[in-house]
Amino acid sequence: GAGVSQSPRYKVAKRGQDVALRCDPISGHVSLFWYQQALGQGPEFLTYFQNEAQLDKSGLPSDRFFAERPEGSVSTLKIQRTQQEDSAVYLCASSRGLAQYNEQFFGPGTRLTVL
Amino acid sequence: DQQVKQNSPSLSVQEGRISILNCDYTNSMFDYFLWYKKYPAEGPTFLISISSIKDKNEDGRFTVFLNKSAKHLSLHIVPSQPGDSAVYFCAASAYDKVIFGPGTSLSVIP
Repeated sequence: GAGVSQSPRYKVAKRGQDVALRCDPISGHVSLFWYQQALGQGPEFLTYFQNEAQLDKSGLPSDRFFAERPEGSVSTLKIQRTQQEDSAVYLCASSRGLAQYNEQFFGPGTRLTVL
Repeated sequence: DQQVKQNSPSLSVQEGRISILNCDYTNSMFDYFLWYKKYPAEGPTFLISISSIKDKNEDGRFTVFLNKSAKHLSLHIVPSQPGDSAVYFCAASAYDKVIFGPGTSLSVIP
Protein backbone atom coordinates (compact mmCIF):
# COMPACT_ATOMS: atom_id res chain seq x y z
CA GLY A 1 0.00 0.00 0.00
CA ALA A 2 1.15 3.57 -0.61
CA GLY A 3 1.92 5.15 2.71
CA VAL A 4 3.72 8.41 3.41
CA SER A 5 7.22 8.40 1.97
CA GLN A 6 10.12 10.69 2.73
CA SER A 7 13.44 11.23 1.01
CA PRO A 8 16.25 11.10 1.64
CA ARG A 9 16.10 8.77 4.64
CA TYR A 10 19.48 10.03 5.85
CA LYS A 11 21.24 13.30 5.14
CA VAL A 12 24.62 14.49 6.36
CA ALA A 13 25.30 18.17 5.83
CA LYS A 14 28.20 20.43 6.64
CA ARG A 15 27.38 23.40 8.80
CA GLY A 16 26.20 26.25 6.60
CA GLN A 17 24.92 24.01 3.81
CA ASP A 18 21.32 24.21 2.57
CA VAL A 19 19.18 21.03 2.62
CA ALA A 20 15.81 20.06 1.15
CA LEU A 21 13.71 17.27 2.57
CA ARG A 22 10.86 15.79 0.58
CA CYS A 23 7.54 14.33 1.68
CA ASP A 24 5.07 12.39 -0.46
CA PRO A 25 1.80 12.14 1.49
CA ILE A 26 -0.92 9.58 0.99
CA SER A 27 -2.85 10.41 -2.17
CA GLY A 28 -5.93 12.49 -1.45
CA HIS A 29 -4.90 13.49 2.05
CA VAL A 30 -5.80 17.10 2.64
CA SER A 31 -3.61 17.85 5.63
CA LEU A 32 0.16 17.62 5.82
CA PHE A 33 2.39 18.21 8.83
CA TRP A 34 6.08 18.51 9.49
CA TYR A 35 7.60 17.62 12.84
CA GLN A 36 11.09 17.72 14.28
CA GLN A 37 12.07 14.93 16.66
CA ALA A 38 15.18 15.23 18.79
CA LEU A 39 16.70 12.15 20.40
CA GLY A 40 14.60 10.91 23.30
CA GLN A 41 11.82 13.41 22.66
CA GLY A 42 8.42 13.32 21.04
CA PRO A 43 7.72 14.85 17.63
CA GLU A 44 7.59 18.64 17.86
CA PHE A 45 5.24 20.50 15.54
CA LEU A 46 6.84 22.65 12.84
CA THR A 47 4.18 23.52 10.30
CA TYR A 48 0.82 22.48 8.84
CA PHE A 49 -0.72 22.62 5.38
CA GLN A 50 -4.29 22.21 4.32
CA ASN A 51 -4.03 21.46 0.61
CA GLU A 52 -1.55 24.06 -0.68
CA ALA A 53 -2.25 26.60 2.05
CA GLN A 54 0.22 26.81 4.92
CA LEU A 55 -2.17 27.46 7.79
CA ASP A 56 0.26 27.33 10.67
CA LYS A 57 4.01 27.79 10.70
CA SER A 58 4.34 28.77 14.32
CA GLY A 59 6.65 25.85 15.10
CA LEU A 60 9.38 26.71 12.61
CA PRO A 61 12.39 27.50 14.84
CA SER A 62 13.85 30.27 12.71
CA ASP A 63 13.59 32.00 9.37
CA ARG A 64 16.14 29.52 8.06
CA PHE A 65 13.32 26.98 7.89
CA PHE A 66 10.90 27.14 4.99
CA ALA A 67 8.20 24.69 3.86
CA GLU A 68 6.07 24.56 0.76
CA ARG A 69 3.37 22.42 -0.81
CA PRO A 70 2.69 24.23 -4.07
CA GLU A 71 0.21 21.79 -5.63
CA GLY A 72 -1.36 20.45 -2.48
CA SER A 73 0.40 17.09 -2.60
CA VAL A 74 4.21 16.76 -2.32
CA SER A 75 5.85 19.00 0.26
CA THR A 76 9.41 20.15 0.75
CA LEU A 77 11.02 21.35 3.96
CA LYS A 78 14.06 23.49 3.28
CA ILE A 79 16.66 24.44 5.87
CA GLN A 80 19.11 27.14 4.91
CA ARG A 81 22.58 27.58 6.41
CA THR A 82 22.21 24.48 8.58
CA GLN A 83 23.48 24.56 12.16
CA GLN A 84 24.44 21.69 14.46
CA GLU A 85 21.27 22.20 16.52
CA ASP A 86 19.24 21.36 13.40
CA SER A 87 20.38 17.72 13.71
CA ALA A 88 17.22 15.68 14.31
CA VAL A 89 14.75 13.36 12.63
CA TYR A 90 12.26 15.27 10.50
CA LEU A 91 8.90 13.55 10.27
CA CYS A 92 6.16 14.22 7.78
CA ALA A 93 2.57 13.13 8.38
CA SER A 94 -0.67 13.41 6.44
CA SER A 95 -4.32 13.02 7.32
CA ARG A 96 -7.60 12.84 5.44
CA GLY A 97 -9.18 15.84 7.08
CA LEU A 98 -8.56 18.29 9.85
CA ALA A 99 -5.75 17.40 12.22
CA GLN A 100 -7.81 17.78 15.31
CA TYR A 101 -10.05 14.74 14.86
CA ASN A 102 -8.18 12.59 12.39
CA GLU A 103 -5.31 10.21 12.86
CA GLN A 104 -2.10 11.19 11.19
CA PHE A 105 -0.12 8.78 9.05
CA PHE A 106 3.59 9.26 9.46
CA GLY A 107 6.45 8.68 7.09
CA PRO A 108 9.67 6.98 8.25
CA GLY A 109 11.42 10.31 8.71
CA THR A 110 14.63 11.87 7.43
CA ARG A 111 17.55 11.78 9.85
CA LEU A 112 19.57 14.96 9.39
CA THR A 113 23.06 15.17 10.84
CA VAL A 114 24.84 18.52 10.64
CA LEU A 115 28.60 18.31 11.14
CA ASP B 1 6.76 24.41 28.99
CA GLN B 2 5.61 20.87 28.21
CA GLN B 3 1.88 20.76 27.59
CA VAL B 4 1.81 16.95 27.35
CA LYS B 5 3.84 14.98 29.86
CA GLN B 6 4.73 11.32 30.13
CA ASN B 7 6.63 11.06 33.36
CA SER B 8 7.81 7.48 32.95
CA PRO B 9 10.55 7.28 30.32
CA SER B 10 10.46 3.49 30.43
CA LEU B 11 8.36 0.57 31.64
CA SER B 12 8.99 -3.19 31.80
CA VAL B 13 6.14 -5.68 31.99
CA GLN B 14 5.95 -9.45 31.92
CA GLU B 15 4.23 -11.02 28.93
CA GLY B 16 0.55 -11.65 29.64
CA ARG B 17 0.29 -8.95 32.32
CA ILE B 18 -1.25 -5.52 32.02
CA SER B 19 0.77 -2.52 30.78
CA ILE B 20 -0.39 0.89 31.99
CA LEU B 21 1.08 3.97 30.35
CA ASN B 22 0.25 7.35 31.81
CA CYS B 23 -0.03 10.83 30.35
CA ASP B 24 -0.81 14.24 31.87
CA TYR B 25 -1.67 17.46 30.07
CA THR B 26 -1.92 21.07 31.11
CA ASN B 27 -4.00 22.79 28.42
CA SER B 28 -7.73 22.56 29.11
CA MET B 29 -8.44 23.46 25.46
CA PHE B 30 -7.30 20.03 24.30
CA ASP B 31 -10.37 18.09 23.23
CA TYR B 32 -9.02 15.05 21.42
CA PHE B 33 -6.35 12.66 22.57
CA LEU B 34 -4.39 10.01 20.70
CA TRP B 35 -1.83 7.32 21.38
CA TYR B 36 0.84 6.46 18.83
CA LYS B 37 3.29 3.58 18.84
CA LYS B 38 6.77 3.79 17.36
CA TYR B 39 9.27 1.11 16.42
CA PRO B 40 12.94 2.03 15.79
CA ALA B 41 13.65 3.59 12.37
CA GLU B 42 9.94 3.90 11.60
CA GLY B 43 7.47 6.73 11.93
CA PRO B 44 4.84 6.64 14.67
CA THR B 45 1.66 4.67 13.91
CA PHE B 46 -1.76 5.50 15.28
CA LEU B 47 -3.05 3.19 17.98
CA ILE B 48 -6.22 4.55 19.59
CA SER B 49 -7.92 7.86 20.32
CA ILE B 50 -10.53 9.38 22.60
CA SER B 51 -12.68 12.47 22.43
CA SER B 52 -13.00 14.68 25.49
CA ILE B 53 -16.71 13.89 25.68
CA LYS B 54 -15.89 10.28 26.55
CA ASP B 55 -14.04 8.75 29.46
CA LYS B 56 -13.17 5.40 27.92
CA ASN B 57 -12.49 3.92 24.52
CA GLU B 58 -11.65 0.29 23.88
CA ASP B 59 -10.17 -1.44 20.85
CA GLY B 60 -9.22 -5.06 21.33
CA ARG B 61 -6.38 -5.31 23.83
CA PHE B 62 -6.06 -1.53 24.04
CA THR B 63 -8.17 0.74 26.25
CA VAL B 64 -7.69 4.45 26.79
CA PHE B 65 -9.13 6.15 29.88
CA LEU B 66 -9.59 9.90 30.18
CA ASN B 67 -10.01 11.81 33.44
CA LYS B 68 -10.70 15.40 32.38
CA SER B 69 -10.86 16.85 35.86
CA ALA B 70 -7.38 15.50 36.59
CA LYS B 71 -6.14 16.24 33.05
CA HIS B 72 -4.89 12.68 32.91
CA LEU B 73 -5.18 9.83 30.48
CA SER B 74 -3.86 6.31 30.47
CA LEU B 75 -3.41 3.51 27.98
CA HIS B 76 -3.99 -0.05 29.16
CA ILE B 77 -2.70 -2.99 27.17
CA VAL B 78 -3.94 -6.38 28.29
CA PRO B 79 -2.58 -8.95 27.85
CA SER B 80 0.81 -7.50 26.95
CA GLN B 81 2.73 -9.25 24.18
CA PRO B 82 6.42 -9.06 23.21
CA GLY B 83 5.41 -7.36 19.93
CA ASP B 84 4.04 -4.47 21.99
CA SER B 85 7.61 -3.48 22.88
CA ALA B 86 7.95 0.01 21.40
CA VAL B 87 7.89 3.68 22.32
CA TYR B 88 4.40 4.99 23.03
CA PHE B 89 3.56 8.64 22.50
CA CYS B 90 0.58 10.36 24.02
CA ALA B 91 -0.74 13.27 21.92
CA ALA B 92 -3.37 15.94 22.43
CA SER B 93 -4.98 18.23 19.90
CA ALA B 94 -6.74 21.56 19.72
CA TYR B 95 -7.26 23.93 16.79
CA ASP B 96 -5.62 21.60 14.26
CA LYS B 97 -2.38 21.39 16.20
CA VAL B 98 -1.29 18.11 17.75
CA ILE B 99 1.14 18.19 20.67
CA PHE B 100 3.09 15.05 21.50
CA GLY B 101 4.52 13.91 24.80
CA PRO B 102 8.13 12.73 25.12
CA GLY B 103 7.20 9.05 24.97
CA THR B 104 7.42 5.98 27.20
CA SER B 105 9.52 3.03 26.11
CA LEU B 106 7.67 -0.21 26.88
CA SER B 107 9.50 -3.53 27.11
CA VAL B 108 7.40 -6.67 27.33
CA ILE B 109 9.50 -9.52 28.67
CA PRO B 110 8.67 -13.02 27.38
